[in-house]
Amino acid sequence: EDQVTQSPEALRLQEGESSSLNCSYTVSGLRGLFWYRQDPGKGPEFLFTLYSAGEEKEKERLKATLTKKESFLHITAPKPEDSATYLCAVGTSYGKLTFGQGTILTVHP
Amino acid sequence: GAVVSQHPSWVICKSGTSVKIECRSLDFQATTMFWYRQFPKQSLMLMATSNEGSKATYEQGVEKDKFLINHASLTLSTLTVTSAHPEDSSFYICSAFDILAMADTQYFGPGTRLTVL
Repeated sequence: EDQVTQSPEALRLQEGESSSLNCSYTVSGLRGLFWYRQDPGKGPEFLFTLYSAGEEKEKERLKATLTKKESFLHITAPKPEDSATYLCAVGTSYGKLTFGQGTILTVHP
Repeated sequence: GAVVSQHPSWVICKSGTSVKIECRSLDFQATTMFWYRQFPKQSLMLMATSNEGSKATYEQGVEKDKFLINHASLTLSTLTVTSAHPEDSSFYICSAFDILAMADTQYFGPGTRLTVL
């Protein structure tokens, strides 16, 4: 059974305090590791897709990396507007996504 | 690009009535769309896979007679919650692939908040 575990469940940072979110997974036949951002009452917003170990992608203050067992979302010098729930998901055959429980990030000014 | 819309954004209905939620891909074609539900402070749970021109595939434990899915065109899928009850109250979200993008990325709609009284 495909499983995705995210840690920590919640993370509180001061503005400018860099940190990382973790996503560990077990899946048969990985077809992509996906990161999404979700604001309260809204649908997930696509951030990154990673396909192979060693791959890295960046967007503004965010950088996602992938190994064979886990992915990290690094947040550099976060701002209050980065506060959201960050969701990790693995893609399998037939396009299905299995989501982790998410990390609630709060950035204080 | 890759914009997905949902309508309505929220709906309140009485127990026993049926509610239809629309999911549209605005600027791309989607042969496959997915329907999720999300309870407060929980993650997304896949309900069903909607394929254009064929029957939907439901996840284990999802009642196909309660959650009717129709995918009549490459840009529209609908979810009908039949005989809704308070326990069906939830946040329903759809997603879609861009078939021309040759990628596995799903783009999500803004969600529909269903409250059954």
